[in-house]
Amino acid sequence: GAVVSQHPSRVICKSGTSVKIECRSLDFQATTMFWYRQFPKQSLMLMATSNEGSKATYEQGVEKDKFLINHASLTLSTLTVTSAHPEDSSFYICSARGDNNSPLHFGNGTRLTVT
Amino acid sequence: AQSVAQPEDQVNVAEGNPLTVKCTYSVSGNPYLFWYVQYPNRGLQFLLKYITGDNLVKGSYGFEAEFNKSQTSFHLKKPSALVSDSALYFCAVRVLSGGYQKVTFGTGTKLQVIP
Repeated sequence: GAVVSQHPSRVICKSGTSVKIECRSLDFQATTMFWYRQFPKQSLMLMATSNEGSKATYEQGVEKDKFLINHASLTLSTLTVTSAHPEDSSFYICSARGDNNSPLHFGNGTRLTVT
Repeated sequence: AQSVAQPEDQVNVAEGNPLTVKCTYSVSGNPYLFWYVQYPNRGLQFLLKYITGDNLVKGSYGFEAEFNKSQTSFHLKKPSALVSDSALYFCAVRVLSGGYQKVTFGTGTKLQVIP
């Protein structure tokens, strides 16, 4: 079945540094990728929708300059958390979809801890 | 605006007993409905989906869900629970509107299967 690879699975960084998270669709072309943030005991919060070759569409309240999203190819999207702060510590999950009738396929998530 | 409700934060069931995880939705168009499962510190895995056709949908790991349009529900069920089914379950609805797709997730229900 469709597989989405997300890397790294866990990262610890110091406050003020930037962290890049990669999301790859391994066996299908993902025209659209989504980035979610999950807080403890809470549902997924959609951060942005990323379409290949165009600018990401951010949800209200998500800082574009802080969460940089790049979707350079049909199989790769990246999320860069710039100038990370402790409050950015969270579980970030990417998902990808092939055609419009396909379900979302999720990466395994990245646990970000900012110290 | 579309919404998804999972009224139970947690469901406890004895191993071997049938289980039900509830989901209701509210949309203005025809919904695509999904169930996903999340194991600790992992991304979400697709279980099953309803788009059209038979109201009873069968999915992975012996799970099934019944679409009930009059009650706007899409409850997840399994005839005999396994301890390994213990996880966090998310219901989601996707609506096509003017060529734009929006996916909304429920808040999740923690399923605890007791040996």
